[in-house]
Amino acid sequence: DAGVIQSPRHEVTEMGQEVTLRCKPISGHNSLFWYRQTMMRGLELLIYFNNNVPIDDSGMPEDRFSAKMPNASFSTLKIQPSEPRDSAVYFCASSLTGTTEAFFGQGTRLTVV
Amino acid sequence: RKEVEQDPGPFNVPEGATVAFNCTYSNSASQSFFWYRQDCRKEPKLLMSVYSSGNEDGRFTAQLNRASQYISLLIRDSKLSDSATYLCVVKGAGNNRKLIWGLGTSLAVNP
Repeated sequence: DAGVIQSPRHEVTEMGQEVTLRCKPISGHNSLFWYRQTMMRGLELLIYFNNNVPIDDSGMPEDRFSAKMPNASFSTLKIQPSEPRDSAVYFCASSLTGTTEAFFGQGTRLTVV
Repeated sequence: RKEVEQDPGPFNVPEGATVAFNCTYSNSASQSFFWYRQDCRKEPKLLMSVYSSGNEDGRFTAQLNRASQYISLLIRDSKLSDSATYLCVVKGAGNNRKLIWGLGTSLAVNP
């Protein structure tokens, strides 16, 4: 299995631009998580989906952030418009509901200048 | 008080040393506990779950103290390859079953 696949691995964009991060979970996993990691705040859960349905989006910072999961094998996290404080590493993770281990993708390192 | 707190370190130890990390959590209703490992510029990976009776996996031992609300990770005979950040993770109970992550403890094992 290829594991959780995220793209792009690195993204540098100008403030105000739209950014779209992509994630392909492990086949068969029905829970998907988007996390943001910074030095100051550590790993923060932004949103998680179960069976493609958003269950908890309380971690989404503000309306500039949106996430979708149109099918079991694909999810996107969009930031529009982006701001420098959005600079972070964004991880996608997937798991089987009811199990404890979350498998992470390699992350997208976002820099907004 | 943060929900999950860890000493950020860094812990600098020589090869072969024994090192221990603690992690405290604030929600007494928390049900599940884990240690994840994160290498520099890599993704977190599950190291081990922490069971009420304590558990061991090779050189790694995890303990849970519910009364004092902390978990610990002990690494014996540390190797250079153990250098990483160790993340304490707590899962709630009932309607709140999100994973709550500590900021991590940095370990550097030196030759």
